[in-house]
Amino acid sequence: KQEVTQIPAALSVPEGENLVLNCSFTDSAIYNLQWFRQDPGKGLTSLLLIQSSQREQTSGRLNASLDKSSGRSTLYIAASQPGDSATYLCAVTMDSNYQLIWGAGTKLIIKP
Amino acid sequence: DVKVTQSSRYLVKRTGEKVFLECVQDMDHENMFWYRQDPGLGLRLIYFSYDVKMKEKGDIPEGYSVSREKKERFSLILESASTNQTSMYLCASTPGVGSYEQYFGPGTRLTVT
Repeated sequence: KQEVTQIPAALSVPEGENLVLNCSFTDSAIYNLQWFRQDPGKGLTSLLLIQSSQREQTSGRLNASLDKSSGRSTLYIAASQPGDSATYLCAVTMDSNYQLIWGAGTKLIIKP
Repeated sequence: DVKVTQSSRYLVKRTGEKVFLECVQDMDHENMFWYRQDPGLGLRLIYFSYDVKMKEKGDIPEGYSVSREKKERFSLILESASTNQTSMYLCASTPGVGSYEQYFGPGTRLTVT
């Protein structure tokens, strides 16, 4: 059974730092992996989707990488800003059924 | 922009009441999902639907039912609300046809007293 883990559960860094959030999964036979952002009390926003055949995806200051063989993905945030404070979740799809298996998330706080 | 809307942001109901949560998407998406989110448990899939009038059970369907009479609308029904169904309920949709990005609604925070 696929399990998705995000460590640490919480992270606090000063504004301006580059940072990396981690996501690991136990079964490497994933179809794709998505990173989401959730602001307190709100729904989720999709940030990046990486297909299993891809190594990375970039959107603005965000870069997500995928290493299927090691069961890991990282979300790199460059030049962090207080507005980046949120919970970041990763989720994988195992096949073409569109269902997601979720990590518990990393709560990120960027201190001004 | 894809828009997924949910009928209520906050809802308070009494134990035993029948509760309807509605979700509407405006982008002709094939697939729709209902999740609940609880502290420490993360997101858990309740039901999903690949097409009109089709539904599939997720990980925690007990105590819930769903209805999808029109493509754009996916309703979650709590037949007899209980206090352990107090939670944040999130609706999502995906285009389908090989497109996997999930679009979420703002969520409904349901409290059952």
